Amino acid sequence: NAGVTQTPKFQVLKTGQSMTLQCAQDMNHEYMSWYRQDPGMGLRLIHYSVGAGITDQGEVPNGYNVSRSTTEDFPLRLLSAAPSQTSVYFCASSSPGHSGGNTEAFFGQGTRLTVV
Amino acid sequence: RKEVEQDPGPFNVPEGATVAFNCTYSNSASQSFFWYRQDCRKEPKLLMSVYSSGNEDGRFTAQLNRASQYISLLIRDSKLSDSATYLCVVKGGTNAGKSTFGDGTTLTVKP
Repeated sequence: NAGVTQTPKFQVLKTGQSMTLQCAQDMNHEYMSWYRQDPGMGLRLIHYSVGAGITDQGEVPNGYNVSRSTTEDFPLRLLSAAPSQTSVYFCASSSPGHSGGNTEAFFGQGTRLTVV
Repeated sequence: RKEVEQDPGPFNVPEGATVAFNCTYSNSASQSFFWYRQDCRKEPKLLMSVYSSGNEDGRFTAQLNRASQYISLLIRDSKLSDSATYLCVVKGGTNAGKSTFGDGTTLTVKP
């Protein structure tokens, strides 16, 4: 029962480095999202996808890219890491529900990223 | 104005107390509503869905008022293990697949 798997769990980057946070789900969910959570704050949506080949920007997309080539995978790329991107990153997946809503989201365990 | 707003908290209550959290949302086209629980440094997990008819799960009761765009969560007979951050989540509507989280309300239940 893997659910949503995020890797790595921890990462330290130097300013200007790039990296990709991986997210995979095995529940055949159409919807996937990336959030960041800063200390003492709620989750802010970075990018989301409603299906393979379709992505859209969330609330805080700058500095991040995503792609969705398969239903299962939704990687998040940091193009040039900055200290302001130090945060905990969560990936989530869910399915469409009835009448335009959707079902509960399942979250990965998070990636704790520090940019120095 | 944020799309989803919650009571800022924190709430500090004794064991056995009843506590209520409120949440308002601005997108009238929203279709799905949830309460999530998040423990320190962990991922959010679903506590319960929220339906127009209201729903109850043991000590927890959730209510939705679409006319007022308002969601509530009531916890009765609080336990120490209820200490966590509670997140209000609104989904769907004009942007299917997009979920919007409130900033969360932190609850601490004390002996």
